[in-house]
Amino acid sequence: EIVLTQSPGTLSLSPGERATLSCRASQSVGSNYLAWYQQKPGQAPRLLIYGASSRATGIPDRFSGSGSGTVFTLSVSRLEPEDFAVYYCQQYSRSPWYTFGQGTKVEIK
Amino acid sequence: EVQLVESGGGLVQPGGSLRLSCAASGFTVSSNYMSWVRQAPGEGLTWVSIIYSGGRTFYADSVKGRFTISRDSSKNTLYLQMNRLRADDTAVYYCARGGEYTGYDPFDYWGQGTLVTVSS
Repeated sequence: EIVLTQSPGTLSLSPGERATLSCRASQSVGSNYLAWYQQKPGQAPRLLIYGASSRATGIPDRFSGSGSGTVFTLSVSRLEPEDFAVYYCQQYSRSPWYTFGQGTKVEIK
Repeated sequence: EVQLVESGGGLVQPGGSLRLSCAASGFTVSSNYMSWVRQAPGEGLTWVSIIYSGGRTFYADSVKGRFTISRDSSKNTLYLQMNRLRADDTAVYYCARGGEYTGYDPFDYWGQGTLVTVSS
């Protein structure tokens, strides 16, 4: 099983600031099959990034993903009020044994 | 427009059973790899089960032998039959759509979730 560890657990930032979230894998994620999801309270997760760096349909370009192997990053260039949420990374390279990170909460400072 | 709508959650006693449904629209359930993902209160996301477009099924170790995933093409609906429920099965259960041809795709659409509470 690939264990994903996200850091930090909580990120306190102000609107307009840049957010950088980390996801580290216990083993290499093949073909960079790494996705990022955003979840707001009471809502389902929403796909933001797949293939480590490709934005899903309708996702603003302030969201970007990077990384390969075991180290991945999600960046939000300028936080909008609606971006304060919990973010999860997920690997889908060991199908069907998908695993998620424990999440990073981005909160308003 | 792709939509997934779950139903069937509720309060059940330990050892009891429940069947969750996920009605799909805008695509054909049997054409995609479909999964169930759960989220315990205040916790993160955990993959539970998948049914391939070809019909093959897989389960997380924590639910193997107790849960069964299935689908009804005529109703375009995904199911999760949950037996011998335990307190640690308490969670919001989401159905999620994967790819059409392989399991190497992210979950691009999710339902709104249905809450299952296992308690006496």
